[in-house]
Amino acid sequence: DVKVTQSSRYLVKRTGEKVFLECVQDMDHENMFWYRQDPGLGLRLIYFSYDVKMKEKGDIPEGYSVSREKKERFSLILESASTNQTSMYLCASSLTGDQPQHFGDGTRLSIL
Amino acid sequence: AQSVTQLDSQVPVFEEAPVELRCNYSSSVSVYLFWYVQYPNQGLQLLLKYLSGSTLVKGINGFEAEFNKSQTSFHLRKPSVHISDTAEYFCAVNGLTGGGNKLTFGTGTQLKVEL
Repeated sequence: DVKVTQSSRYLVKRTGEKVFLECVQDMDHENMFWYRQDPGLGLRLIYFSYDVKMKEKGDIPEGYSVSREKKERFSLILESASTNQTSMYLCASSLTGDQPQHFGDGTRLSIL
Repeated sequence: AQSVTQLDSQVPVFEEAPVELRCNYSSSVSVYLFWYVQYPNQGLQLLLKYLSGSTLVKGINGFEAEFNKSQTSFHLRKPSVHISDTAEYFCAVNGLTGGGNKLTFGTGTQLKVEL
């Protein structure tokens, strides 16, 4: 079974802090994704990556950046956290375009 | 551009009754379609997928969905629900464009099964 592990289940940070969310997958998947989930809005894609050191913007990249230095690890960075970034963040990975995405359990991030 | 509409934000149903969760999509290209389920405080799990072939797709936990190209729909059904099916369900579409496998999700349907 594919395992996607997010480093924290719950995280509380302060406005203006730089925040790192880490995601690791163990199945040698090419593609990795970061989403945020908000009530009534479903999942919205922040950034994704097709390969090491490669990244592309999703639908809502403002205020975020990403890093993929190794194939198995995809990091989401909030450069200067703001209260409107309080949300559930989900990481996912997939092998190819016709294969389903596998999700981690999510990180519930609160910015105070 | 592609989009997914889940018209029902909440669906209450009694245990052992049948249920249908509706999903309509919009895309200018061929698509792959998925249903995911999310239990409280967990990530999303794949229920079923349509890639090609038979339009009736069977998934885990007794769920099935039918791809209807003319109506651009992919409704999820279960003939008899159980309390444990209470969860949020997301429909997603992957348009087969040069952009790779970007999924577009619907806003979700909360299924609440009551005794």
